[in-house]
Parts: sequence; C-alpha cells; structure tokens
Amino acid sequence: NAGVTQTPKFRILKIGQSMTLQCTQDMNHNYMYWYRQDPGMGLKLIYYSVGAGITDKGEVPNGYNVSRSTTEDFPLRLELAAPSQTSVYFCASDRAYANTGELFFGEGSRLTVL
Amino acid sequence: GQSLEQPSEVTAVEGAIVQINCTYQTSGFYGLSWYQQHDGGAPTFLSYNALDGLEETGRFSSFLSRSDSYGYLLLQELQMKDSASYFCAVPGNTPLVFGKGTRLSVIA
Repeated sequence: NAGVTQTPKFRILKIGQSMTLQCTQDMNHNYMYWYRQDPGMGLKLIYYSVGAGITDKGEVPNGYNVSRSTTEDFPLRLELAAPSQTSVYFCASDRAYANTGELFFGEGSRLTVL
Repeated sequence: GQSLEQPSEVTAVEGAIVQINCTYQTSGFYGLSWYQQHDGGAPTFLSYNALDGLEETGRFSSFLSRSDSYGYLLLQELQMKDSASYFCAVPGNTPLVFGKGTRLSVIA
C-alpha cells in the first residue's frame, strides 16, 4: 500500500539552481495537490490538479511550475531557487475536492536553499 | 475567501481532556476537517464534520456548529503521544484550506 510517494525526502539547493520534486500516487485519485509548510505554520497551497492535463494555481504559485501528464504523477518544478523557497513540501491526493474532508499526504520533501 | 482561526498553543496534563477550538469564515461551507501532524511527519486525517453535532472516534471527538461558524476537537485521556500540531481545515468547491495549527504539548 504505497499511497502517495514523494522523492527526494531531503535536498539542498544553491540559489539559482532548479529541481523537480516528484509525486506519485497509486490510488487512482483524480485530484492532486502541492502544499508548502514553513516552520511553525500551516499548509499553503501551491498548485493543484483535478485530472490529467489540468492544473491550476493555488495561493503561492510564484517560482513553481507543475504538470500532470498522467493520473498518477504530479511533479513540482522549482525554477531559479531562492532562500524563500526553503520549506517542507507535501504532495496530497483525493478523489474529489476533499468532499469527505480527507486528503492523503506523502511523507514530505524537505528543501533547503542556500 | 476562506480563513480559519485556532489557538497557536495549548498545554495539558497527561490523562486530562483538552479542547482545541476553530472558527472559520468561508463561502460555500461543506464541512470541517481535523488533521494531526507530529514533528517531522505528514498531516494525517482525524475527522470530518459535515453536519452539526458531535462525532466520536475513540478518544477523539469533533464538534461542529454551522450557525456559529465554529468547531472544536476534543481529546480525552491525553497521552504523551498526543503531543503534536492539530489543524482544522475547510473543504468545499476549492482545495482544502488549512488553519495555522495548534501545537499541543502534553506534560506529565
């Protein structure tokens, strides 16, 4: 029972570098989300997708890009990394707009930009 | 838009009962969810209230009053392992919006 799998779990980037956080789910969920969580704070939505080929911006999309070519995968791309992007990134999925209130989260990817 | 308010920190004694409140402002309300997050871990789903009243799941209960735009999470028979952050969240016709979380510290 893999659920939502994120890679890498930890990464250190230099300012200006780019990278992709990978997210895969095996629950056949149509809806997928990327959140970021800064220390001691709640989760802020970066991007979300309601199905393959469809993505939309969340609350804090600047500096990020996403794609959704398959139901299973929802990678998050960081272009020109900045120290402000130091955070923990969580990928999550659900069948619909969490109409049961339940999202399934990956274990998180901890990113440090120096 | 949607916004949620909850206390930032709560401390309680092992074996006691603690209540974590959440007030919300949202358009198109569908229900109130609660999540638990241990340090270094991912959020995990605890409960969801779509209707007014109390929902009980073991030691945890969650309450909703739609007329007051208010809900709470009740933790009974507190254990040290309950030390974590607790988030209320509102689902709806947009992706889940989370409160800033309440850090619960359980002390002996």
